[in-house]
Amino acid sequence: DGGITQSPKYLFRKEGQNVTLSCEQNLNHDAMYWYRQDPGQGLRLIYYSQIVNDFQKGDIAEGYSVSREKKESFPLTVTSAQKNPTAFYLCASSWGQGTGEAFFGQGTRLTVV
Amino acid sequence: AQTVTQSQPEMSVQEAETVTLSCTYDTSENNYYLFWYKQPPSRQMILVIRQEAYKQQNATENRFSVNFQKAAKSFSLKISDSQLGDTAMYFCAFMSQGAQKLVFGQGTRLTINP
Repeated sequence: DGGITQSPKYLFRKEGQNVTLSCEQNLNHDAMYWYRQDPGQGLRLIYYSQIVNDFQKGDIAEGYSVSREKKESFPLTVTSAQKNPTAFYLCASSWGQGTGEAFFGQGTRLTVV
Repeated sequence: AQTVTQSQPEMSVQEAETVTLSCTYDTSENNYYLFWYKQPPSRQMILVIRQEAYKQQNATENRFSVNFQKAAKSFSLKISDSQLGDTAMYFCAFMSQGAQKLVFGQGTRLTINP
């Protein structure tokens, strides 16, 4: 089945540690996205990538980093510079220049302990 | 920069009633897509309906329809004959055709009461 997979579903991080959230898609989509969702707020764009080896900062990129070495993978690293990383993280992908519709993963809940 | 605004943080209606969720956006572009996504308690994002800016006809998907006013930069969602399963967060979203940046509004929490 085609889809977009995020792992892990739950992640715990100690203060000062970097953690990496995985996002893989087998939909052959060109564009991929990372969003952060806090309680009572909408989805805020962290980073997005339109093609392999290229990505752009979203509205809240500080404290995060990404890579896009393969079309199907777009991992997000939450660095120690991110002062308030506890949130729900959503990954999405879309065709790019096609229909525009984005498909979402199930999300990762990151908690700092 | 594109922005999306949903002015209704919460709404509540009785089952079988019709409800309209508001959305406005700001852009200088002419070609773009607009979407409504639903996020139930499972937190899985589900596409409800989409609209291409170049199409004047309003999109419809069964009980869901939109009122797209391009000049006013307004994109409201109407849910007819509301059902208990429609209870969810609803997000309005904008995607520019060129840059492919997908931006969301703050969301409206919709509750359908029995």
